[in-house]
Amino acid sequence: AQSVSQHNHHVILSEAASLELGCNYSYGGTVNLFWYVQYPGQHLQLLLKYFSGDPLVKGIKGFEAEFIKSKFSFNLRKPSVQWSDTAEYFCAVKRAGTALIFGKGTTLSVSS
Amino acid sequence: GAGVSQSPSNKVTEKGKDVELRCDPISGHTALYWYRQSLGQGLEFLIYFQGNSAPDKSGLPSDRFSAERTGGSVSTLTIQRTQQEDSAVYLCASSPRSTGELFFGEGSRLTVL
Repeated sequence: AQSVSQHNHHVILSEAASLELGCNYSYGGTVNLFWYVQYPGQHLQLLLKYFSGDPLVKGIKGFEAEFIKSKFSFNLRKPSVQWSDTAEYFCAVKRAGTALIFGKGTTLSVSS
Repeated sequence: GAGVSQSPSNKVTEKGKDVELRCDPISGHTALYWYRQSLGQGLEFLIYFQGNSAPDKSGLPSDRFSAERTGGSVSTLTIQRTQQEDSAVYLCASSPRSTGELFFGEGSRLTVL
């Protein structure tokens, strides 16, 4: 069965610290990769996506993610976090003809 | 409306009762997904529709759960004989394509007493 693993359940950072959230998936073949974010009290929204091409993709609010095919990974990064980045972050993977599958999520808490 | 609409936003029911949760996707979106979000469990896939057909029902936890979509638009998730472990937020999302870019609703929070 396909699965998506997020290594960190809860990350606590101070403002201006750098962020990296890990995501690995369990199967090969062509995949579309996503990070979704859920800010407190808000609905889930797309942060960034990778379909093909440059494996380093940039999303909203200064986030970026790198697809490393050999490692089946799609880690999310941000050089300097802000208090407003406090949220829950979900990695998700989709293969053609199948549903979008999410990881269990990582809660990021940023202190000012 | 501009976004995915779900109703009710909150539902409290007694164990053993049936509940229906409704999702009204963005107009023109062909794909529709249902997920369940519980504390510590992330987003659990339940079912997705492409048009009116459901190519993947593998996530439905038991035969007490069913879903339908009519007219390629509104979808209803039905939970029969609810149990306390069914308590969760049920999320609906729609997409104009099958790429995985989803637009989520606010969710329906179900509490089974």
